[in-house]
This record gives sequence, structure tokens and C-alpha cells, in this order.
Amino acid sequence: QVQLQESGPGLVKPSETLSLTCTVSGGSISSNYWSWVRQPPGKRQEWFGYIYSSGSTNYNPSFKSRVTMSVDTSKNQFSLKLSSVTAADTAVYYCARVWAPRSGGWYFDLWGRGTLVTVSS
Amino acid sequence: DIQMTQSPSSLSASVGDRVTITCRASQSISNYLNWYQHKPGKAPKLLIYAASSLQSGVPSRFSGSASGTDFTLTISSLQPEDFATYYCQQSYSTWTFGQGTKVDIK
Repeated sequence: QVQLQESGPGLVKPSETLSLTCTVSGGSISSNYWSWVRQPPGKRQEWFGYIYSSGSTNYNPSFKSRVTMSVDTSKNQFSLKLSSVTAADTAVYYCARVWAPRSGGWYFDLWGRGTLVTVSS
Repeated sequence: DIQMTQSPSSLSASVGDRVTITCRASQSISNYLNWYQHKPGKAPKLLIYAASSLQSGVPSRFSGSASGTDFTLTISSLQPEDFATYYCQQSYSTWTFGQGTKVDIK
């Protein structure tokens, strides 16, 4: 079955750019929407936005100035870049597949296990 | 952004108990409300989408309902594998989550 796996550095320095990749296995990345969510310690999840396999994006306005998502269909991967990080960006980061029914009410139907990223010098 | 207020934040229950978790939206979100289960170290799992639709493969003891801006997740008879944290999430606009409800063993 389709599985998602996040990968990337577990430690990032303040002011640098956090970069994560999600590898999709057991299925194709094409014709789907993909998303990133994080959960800071002791806080609720935060949604970054989503990217379609064609590369079109929709970002959460709260992160729009700092976030970039991209997709590499040849590698069956999609990525998140978050710039100018601070300690407040320390969180477990999850990638997820978005199911987009025509009737509306999109949802995350598949998630990765998450990866902890700590922002510290 | 739409605020999602989930209650309770935690509860203790026994196997076989009926468990109810509520999520209240700060404004109308139609039925664009989803519920997830999350166990430590595992991938979150979709339980309910569109307020009351059961995701394929999810046991029928899980159900969801809606009344205006109030949404409820019910576990009719709690099983040992159901001890986890549950989250609601709205996809009406700028998607947001509830703060979670941790269900542990009484």
C-alpha cells in the first residue's frame, strides 16, 4: 500500500532554511495533492499548505512568506522549505496525502510518521 | 483563521465504555470536519471525513455527527487499541486543527 516517509536534517540553525523531503512509496505521486503539517511541542498541529503533482500550490497565509513546496515526479517525492527559522519552528513535521472530493471537504487520507526538527545553534 | 475548540483535552475510560469527543468551530464550516487518531510514533490515521463519513477500513464503533458548528466523535465501545489521541480538523478555509483529546486507560 502507499506509504509516506519524511526525511531531512533533525537539527537546523536559527535563520537558516529547513528542508524536508517526503518519499511516496507503493503508489504514484501523480494526480494527487500533497501537504505538510507540523506539531510544535505541546501545541496543536499547523498546516503549511498543499501542492498538486503538477506543481501548483496553495499556501497557508501564515507561512506564505517563508514556505516553498515543490514536487519531483521522477523521484516520487515532494518537498518543504521553510526559511528564516527560529526556535518556534521546532516541531514534528508530517507529510500527508490530501484527498480532494469534488463535493468539497478535503482531508488527509494518508500520513507519514513524522520527523522531529529542532532549531538550535 | 477558524478556531477549533476540542473537549475534553483528556479523558480516562475503560474498555467497553462509550466515549464522546466534541469539537466546536468558531464559525460555520459546513460539514468540512475530519477526525484523526494518533498513536505515539505512528502515522496519524483518518477516521471520519465530512463530519460523519466513515473512512474505509475503520471499525464501525467509530461514528461522527454534526449540529451547526458542533461536531462529535463517538466510540461506541472502547477497545484496547483505541487508546490514543484524537484530533479534529476543518478544511473549510485555511485548514486548522483542534488541540486534541488524549484517551487513556482508567
